[in-house]
Parts: sequence; C-alpha cells; structure tokens
Amino acid sequence: DTAVSQTPKYLVTQMGNDKSIKCEQNLGHDTMYWYKQDSKKFLKIMFSYNNKELIINETVPNRFSPKSPDKAHLNLHINSLELGDSAVYFCASSQSPAYGYTFGSGTRLTVV
Amino acid sequence: GESVGLHLPTLSVQEGDNSIINCAYSNSASDYFIWYKQESGKGPQFIIDIRSNMDKRQGQRVTVLLNKTVKHLSLQIAATQPGDSAVYFCAENIRGTYKYIFGTGTRLKVLA
Repeated sequence: DTAVSQTPKYLVTQMGNDKSIKCEQNLGHDTMYWYKQDSKKFLKIMFSYNNKELIINETVPNRFSPKSPDKAHLNLHINSLELGDSAVYFCASSQSPAYGYTFGSGTRLTVV
Repeated sequence: GESVGLHLPTLSVQEGDNSIINCAYSNSASDYFIWYKQESGKGPQFIIDIRSNMDKRQGQRVTVLLNKTVKHLSLQIAATQPGDSAVYFCAENIRGTYKYIFGTGTRLKVLA
C-alpha cells in the first residue's frame, strides 16, 4: 500500500477551468501538507492541516482552497486555473514536526 | 567535488568518488534539519536528519554536518553510486512550527 497517495498523477487542463487534486495517507499521521514545486525544482509550502484544522496558510491566491474531510485526507481545489499554476503539486504528511515528512509522488498540473 | 545549492546547480562526480552537497539555511531559530533525495518523477524521500544539538550524524554511506555558527549544512555521500543520481534538498524546521523550508536543491550526476 502506498503511504501517501495523490490522484491524479497528471492533469492537463485549459485556462479558466476548476480542478481538484486528492491526497490520502494511511500512516495515521495527524498533519498533512501541500507543496508546490516549480520548473526550477523549488519547493514551497502552501497549506497544512493538523487533525482537520488549518495551521499553515501561506501567501497563495485565494483561487486555491484546501479541504480536509478527515485527518487522512487533504484535497486541493483550484478555481479559474492560470498558466502560472502549472507545476508539480506534492502532498505530504507527518506525525509531528520533529520527524519530517512523507511525500506523495506528486501531481503534474499543466495549464494550457 | 562540492557545490553550493543556488538555482539548482549540478554536481558531477565519478562513480566511486565521494560527494559533498552544501546548503545554507536561513533561520537561526531552526533546530531540526533533514536532507531529502528526489529522483525523477518521484516525491522527495528522507535520507538523514540532524538536530541542532549535534554537529555530525552518520548513516549508511551518508554523513550530515551542521555548522550553526555560519548556518551551513552539508551532506557527504561516500563511494557515490549511479543510484545516487537525483536532486538533493536540505530542509529546516523552525522551532515550534510545523513548517519546513526547503533549500533550492542540487542535482547530483554520477558518471560511470
């Protein structure tokens, strides 16, 4: 079983569309995250939820909205997609900040 | 050879040689550091960690060195193998937060 799984792995969509990326972890971790990795491989945190509560909300356009229905799931919804949203989005989870993250394999979003 | 991670530099080493990857971290309040390895098409994977009360930690073929005075972290890989080819990131955890800040990454290429 994959510890942190994201779907879809690839997503190609037109500008202006609304799309969602889903993430699930089976590690029993309390905290989940979304990171964005740009074309230069730079990883930037976007959001984090701890036990369904939003604890990190970085400077991200409000077109991006995370939702955590339970502590094993963290989804990312993006409205009105723009070309600049093209990137790889990684979900991660951790038991606590003291132990680092387990990452999913990423969702490559391409906006055309 | 050694490299400082800015704008995803590339470090090329001969198979069997030792590799040194450097990272300058940003926050003097950071007290926990992790090196991650990211292979093509995958999410970052934990390699080794170190807490701020240590200056050196060894794993299997990998050693992390921490110099808090100059806010510098390095990853040494002994007897570099083709499977070590990847992008390597350092990440710092700011004490008391859930947030990890990632460095810009270094691409390691192992030459046969």
